[in-house]
This record gives sequence, C-alpha cells and structure tokens, in this order.
Amino acid sequence: SQTIHQWPATLVQPVGSPLSLECTVEGTSNPNLYWYRQAAGRGLQLLFYSVGIGQISSEVPQNLSASRPQDRQFILSSKKLLLSDSGFYLCACQLTGFEQYFGPGTRLTVT
Amino acid sequence: GQSLEQPSEVTAVEGAIVQINCTYQTSGFYGLSWYQQHDGGAPTFLSYNALDGLEETGRFSSFLSRSDSYGYLLLQELQMKDSASYFCAVVDTGRRALTFGSGTRLQVQP
Repeated sequence: SQTIHQWPATLVQPVGSPLSLECTVEGTSNPNLYWYRQAAGRGLQLLFYSVGIGQISSEVPQNLSASRPQDRQFILSSKKLLLSDSGFYLCACQLTGFEQYFGPGTRLTVT
Repeated sequence: GQSLEQPSEVTAVEGAIVQINCTYQTSGFYGLSWYQQHDGGAPTFLSYNALDGLEETGRFSSFLSRSDSYGYLLLQELQMKDSASYFCAVVDTGRRALTFGSGTRLQVQP
C-alpha cells in the first residue's frame, strides 16, 4: 500500500522568505502526484500536478512552483512567501482514476 | 471550468441519518467522489460513482444522477466520530485531477 511522507509538519515563515516543501511516496511507481492548498475552513485548491518526472502542470498562476526530480518525489517551492500563502499544504497521489491518497500535510503560517 | 455546490454545514443527532447534497457543473465528467476530513487531518476517500444510482459501503452510501448533475452522500446510524467535513469532487476528463467542492461540515450531537 502507498505511504506519503511530507515534511515539515508545521512551519512558520516570515513574509519574503523562501519555501521548500517535500513530498515522497512509497509503495507505488510512476504515480500521478498533486499539490493542494487548503485555507482554514475552506475546500482544497489544486496547485500543481505531475504525471511523470519533470512534467508539471500549474493550475494557479502565483509565486509558487513545483518540481519532480525523481519518480516518487514532489517539491513545492517559493522564492518569496506572501501572507496569502498561509494554509494547509497537502500532497496526494492518484491510486485510480477517481481515488486520491493524501499525505499528512504541512501547516504553513506566514507572518 | 468546473464548479460544485455543497451546503456549508449540517447538524444531526447520534443514530440519525443525514444526507449531504452536491450539485456540479463541469465540461467533462467521469464521476463523482466523496472524501472525509477530520479537523487537522488529511482527506480520506469514501466512495465514487461513475454511473447513475446508489453505491453502498457500510454505513455510507453515495448516489449520482448524471442527468441532474447531482449527487449525495448518505450517512446512516450516525456516530460522534462522523463529525468531520465532507467534500464532493468531480473527476475531470480534461485533466487528470480532481476538482473539490468547498465542503460540508457535519456536526453530530449526542
């Protein structure tokens, strides 16, 4: 079965600082991978998805970027964080065409 | 584009039955999924409907009417642990990703 690791679990960063969130997947190969952001009390906003190494599709134009340097590694980055980047960041992999499995998430607070 | 509508909150008592509705608009449609998320946790998959009708999984059932662009999640014999947010999500033929509704917060009272 699949396991998704995300770190760190919580992060407090000042405005203007860089960001790097890492997601690694175990138990599957060549998965479709996804980054979502969830604001407090809100739904999930798809940020990026990847169907393979080096293949990234961006859903929302903003100051975030994503990379997939290895098959089971997905990284979310920013050069300069904004207050509006605060939220719960979730990495997910697609198990079937309609089922996604989510990692434990990273709670980011930008101050 | 895609859009989904869900009620923001539902309250029910332990042992009761509750129905959470979801209406959607999408340009391409494979099916409707449901996810549960407890406070502070990650979403977990509950069910999926690709065809019209009712799918039952234990105390949870999910229904889809493609002609009405409508579905619902039915929770029976409610338990306190069912207090959580529930999200419907459409599987989009245009891209390999899910579009989620804004979620329904279910509060189960004793």
